[in-house]
Amino acid sequence: GAGVSQSPRYKVAKRGQDVALRCDPISGHVSLFWYQQALGQGPEFLTYFQNEAQLDKSGLPSDRFFAERPEGSVSTLKIQRTQQEDSAVYLCASSWASGVVTGELFFGEGSRLTVL
Amino acid sequence: QKEVEQDPGPLSVPEGAIVSLNCTYSNSAFQYFMWYRQYSRKGPELLMYTYSSGNKEDGRFTAQVDKSSKYISLFIRDSQPSDSATYLCAMLASGSRLTFGEGTQLTVNP
Repeated sequence: GAGVSQSPRYKVAKRGQDVALRCDPISGHVSLFWYQQALGQGPEFLTYFQNEAQLDKSGLPSDRFFAERPEGSVSTLKIQRTQQEDSAVYLCASSWASGVVTGELFFGEGSRLTVL
Repeated sequence: QKEVEQDPGPLSVPEGAIVSLNCTYSNSAFQYFMWYRQYSRKGPELLMYTYSSGNKEDGRFTAQVDKSSKYISLFIRDSQPSDSATYLCAMLASGSRLTFGEGTQLTVNP
């Protein structure tokens, strides 16, 4: 596709439900990143994939958060037993390069999660 | 204390004004400095990318980095209503983890 595609764009979940957010990066992009952006805040790093390998998951806030990219393209961010503090926009970004330094990040429009 | 501090604004200026946006940081390991623009309900898009100290100009935009003061700036000349957005500074020491400021909301009034 022309850009990074994320779905769903909007998700409302009841507290305790599991949610899955999908990211379809730009074709051929090696690196994929997930960020969490709370209302009125800057994005905060969650995790990073290089192809199918998850090289950095240090930003995941708890073991309720899990991300995968099994075939090195599409990625899914799963949140189990959602809590109100999980309400945020989840941004996915991809890059042709390995890592950030040499490659521009292209962001999707985000998935806005509201937990009631 | 946050690693990156950015005045959230909001900042409102008339069309044609020069806009100055700033961030300070505490982590001396940061070497790469970026400015992103984020329109409402959209993802951030990269505006400027600077390595280490110095100035970089691209059209109406100028980015400055002063590592000795741990201070970075973005200047927008001849601001336009289409520049109305949230501007995010971002920094990287090495590897994969960008650290963002909280963003400054800018409105340029026609």
